[in-house]
Amino acid sequence: ETGVTQTPRHLVMGMTNKKSLKCEQHLGHNAMYWYKQSAKKPLELMFVYNFKEQTENNSVPSRFSPECPNSSHLFLHLHTLQPEDSALYLCASSQDLGRADEQYFGPGTRLTVT
Amino acid sequence: KQEVTQIPAALSVPEGENLVLNCSFTDSAIYNLQWFRQDPGKGLTSLLLIQSSQREQTSGRLNASLDKSSGRSTLYIAASQPGDSATYLCALSGAGSYQLTFGKGTKLSVIP
Repeated sequence: ETGVTQTPRHLVMGMTNKKSLKCEQHLGHNAMYWYKQSAKKPLELMFVYNFKEQTENNSVPSRFSPECPNSSHLFLHLHTLQPEDSALYLCASSQDLGRADEQYFGPGTRLTVT
Repeated sequence: KQEVTQIPAALSVPEGENLVLNCSFTDSAIYNLQWFRQDPGKGLTSLLLIQSSQREQTSGRLNASLDKSSGRSTLYIAASQPGDSATYLCALSGAGSYQLTFGKGTKLSVIP
């Protein structure tokens, strides 16, 4: 059982809706990540937080807005999404941002934009 | 820019067979390499992590090897079982970064 949980597991939203994805890690880690997994494409890193501070934004459109209130929680706020944003959104955590630190993944949120 | 390739994209084998999954990468300056398993619609489960100074790692029926000079890693699964059916992903971090670069994965089906 992974120590990283994500809610909701499935989400269907219209292009004008506003919704949020939640991630919580129970591992005492300091770094948290958002990834996007689209069909037939490799996982894409979206955002990285370390000790609540954003350290990476991989040119993600502003309709995706991350929030990290503390080292255990990470949110992804969604607004005015496009159908091509439909994907599996995965959260991960690691002890720190060290190169040797193993990343642990949550089960993901399957997002469908209609 | 690092590129990670996993071939084949899909593989089907009968139960009990030993099999090898392949992962190749273009930049040999890596720090570590991880193999993950992903069940349909689920997140990733880490299977093995190999540091750049290591040649292989073993866990149960799984053995992962790393050859940086040739830009290759393999995941060996012994005595495959239907429960091994999943998509297997390899990912690696570069010498100067914690960021993981993923392959597209190999979808494995073990037929009873």
